[in-house]
Amino acid sequence: QVQLVQSGAELRKPGASVKVSCKASGYTFTTYSIVWVRQAPGQGLEWMGWISAFNFNTNYARKFQGRVTMTTDTSTSTAYMELRSLTSDDTAVYYCAREYYYGSDSYYYYFDYWGQGTLVTVSS
Amino acid sequence: QSVLTQPPSASGTPGQRVTISCSGSSSNIGFASVNWFRQFPGTSPKLLIYTNDQRPSGVPDRFSASKSGTSASLAISGLQSEDEADYFCAAWDDSLNGWVFGGGTKLTVL
Repeated sequence: QVQLVQSGAELRKPGASVKVSCKASGYTFTTYSIVWVRQAPGQGLEWMGWISAFNFNTNYARKFQGRVTMTTDTSTSTAYMELRSLTSDDTAVYYCAREYYYGSDSYYYYFDYWGQGTLVTVSS
Repeated sequence: QSVLTQPPSASGTPGQRVTISCSGSSSNIGFASVNWFRQFPGTSPKLLIYTNDQRPSGVPDRFSASKSGTSASLAISGLQSEDEADYFCAAWDDSLNGWVFGGGTKLTVL
């Protein structure tokens, strides 16, 4: 069965960086992209970007461009999301999800499996 | 401020039918298909509806959804206490070149 298992909670000081991992299993890792979504306490979902596990192409939300780097390690079927120059506004639960797609003439995309989430707390 | 607009709350009594709306624009809902997610407190979101109106296996047919123009809606019939959760809509936004979400709707079963 498909599983995405994320790394544990992190505590960082303002200005620091954090790197969250997301280990996939139960499917061919290079077939689908991995997206990262975050959720601040009591808030909604915010898409941060995606990375193709096939060709390593990335697409970052404008808000995070220059501050985020998404990578994958196909040898371990693991995706990583690094966020730099952290502020208290970055305190959130960070999720990875698989971006499934299907279709022929047109393609349809959705997030069908999610990791359990990683709480990142930014505090001095 | 979320790109897609959802009512912050909705409620109903057991057995009732409730609907949750999701309003967007021509660059997102008017351009691409809509997906819906359900999230229970302290857990990760789960896919509820994909491609406007498709239910993944395991999702009961009490859940249905539709899309028209730049709006979408999720309907839950035969409301049950275990349906209490947050519901989010999502779509690809062609202008932003990224996924956008609604702010979420907290469903309360009275």
